[in-house]
Amino acid sequence: GQNIDQPTEMTATEGAIVQINCTYQTSGFNGLFWYQQHAGEAPTFLSYNVLDGLEEKGRFSSFLSRSKGYSYLLLKELQMKDSASYLCALLGTDKLIFGTGTRLQVFP
Amino acid sequence: DVKVTQSSRYLVKRTGEKVFLECVQDMDHENMFWYRQDPGLGLRLIYFSYDVKMKEKGDIPEGYSVSREKKERFSLILESASTNQTSMYLCASSLEDRFYGYTFGSGTRLTVV
Repeated sequence: GQNIDQPTEMTATEGAIVQINCTYQTSGFNGLFWYQQHAGEAPTFLSYNVLDGLEEKGRFSSFLSRSKGYSYLLLKELQMKDSASYLCALLGTDKLIFGTGTRLQVFP
Repeated sequence: DVKVTQSSRYLVKRTGEKVFLECVQDMDHENMFWYRQDPGLGLRLIYFSYDVKMKEKGDIPEGYSVSREKKERFSLILESASTNQTSMYLCASSLEDRFYGYTFGSGTRLTVV
């Protein structure tokens, strides 16, 4: 089976850096995705990691350690529009399994 | 711009009604998925399909069925709607190579009264 854990809520200040952690257990691993979802909207793709290490994409970076079953999403220079839910998703043998998401609130 | 289109944004149905949720993608994707999203439970997979006329049960298929008669269209059917099926329903599609991730539709918020 598969299990994904991520914090339910986080808060941060505009301009700051925030790290959202995701830990997982799985019997089959083909990659880890991060999605962003604004309230009332569809999830949108942010990043994909299949090898250990850091993937950087502008203000957002994602890290993976397969041996530790651990990933994080790093958001730099936070903006108000970054207030959203961030979903960690595991690609198993044939489909994506999502965590419950982390709701991030950015304050001025 | 690639798109996954869900026919209704908001829907209100009565208990016992048969409900059809439609999803169409214009990306020639092989794979299509139906999820429901509930507070505190995240996205849960109901059914998925890797080809026309093919379907596989996800984690919570009870009370649902699906139809995929054409590659671009994947329908979710609630045979007899119940109040516990009140939820946000999200359709997604992906290429055969799933490493590209999923593209989601904007969702249908279904309320069963």
